[in-house]
Amino acid sequence: DAGVIQSPRHEVTEMGQEVTLRCKPISGHNSLFWYRQTMMRGLELLIYFNNNVPIDDSGMPEDRFSAKMPNASFSTLKIQPSEPRDSAVYFCASSFGTGSSYEQYFGPGTRLTVT
Amino acid sequence: QQPVQSPQAMILREGEDAVINCSSSKALYSVHWYRQKHGEAPVFLMILLKGGEQKGHDKISASFNEKKQQSSLYLTASQLSYSGTYFCGTGQGSGGTSYGKLTFGQGTILTVHP
Repeated sequence: DAGVIQSPRHEVTEMGQEVTLRCKPISGHNSLFWYRQTMMRGLELLIYFNNNVPIDDSGMPEDRFSAKMPNASFSTLKIQPSEPRDSAVYFCASSFGTGSSYEQYFGPGTRLTVT
Repeated sequence: QQPVQSPQAMILREGEDAVINCSSSKALYSVHWYRQKHGEAPVFLMILLKGGEQKGHDKISASFNEKKQQSSLYLTASQLSYSGTYFCGTGQGSGGTSYGKLTFGQGTILTVHP
């Protein structure tokens, strides 16, 4: 079975540009998570969905960030406009079932560099 | 609030044992352990649920003391492949929007030398 798929794997963009990160969760999983990882802040949860519905977006840094999950097999994380401090590795993860009793499977990540 | 892991880093020789601790200031429902190698995604190791159980496979095991809000990961007879950063992720359990989310510790960097 294919794991979590993320695209692009690397993104370099200039400050002010719009960035869209994409994620395809593991088939059959009904929870999807977006994380950001930096040296300073570690691994932070940005938002998570259950059955395509956003449940908790308290980790989204500001209004420049938005996430959607139009169907069970696709999610996007958008940053508009991007800033240098958004540079990080963004991971998408999915799990089967609700609640924190289910293991999460991480995608390979998107390394974002904003210049 | 982020759980606290200790130690922050450790260096071992192949064959030595290691213990990594994870402490939370909040009541826990679950503790997850992940290992991340440089430039790669975190990989799930094991999950422990409220009930104080201990789990393990091969030479890696973990315990969960819900009263102390702590978990420990035990690495026995370490191998070179054990090198990486280990993260604990804690879940607060049922109710409210925190139901599904994990909060990760800052990580413990483990280096195993021949």
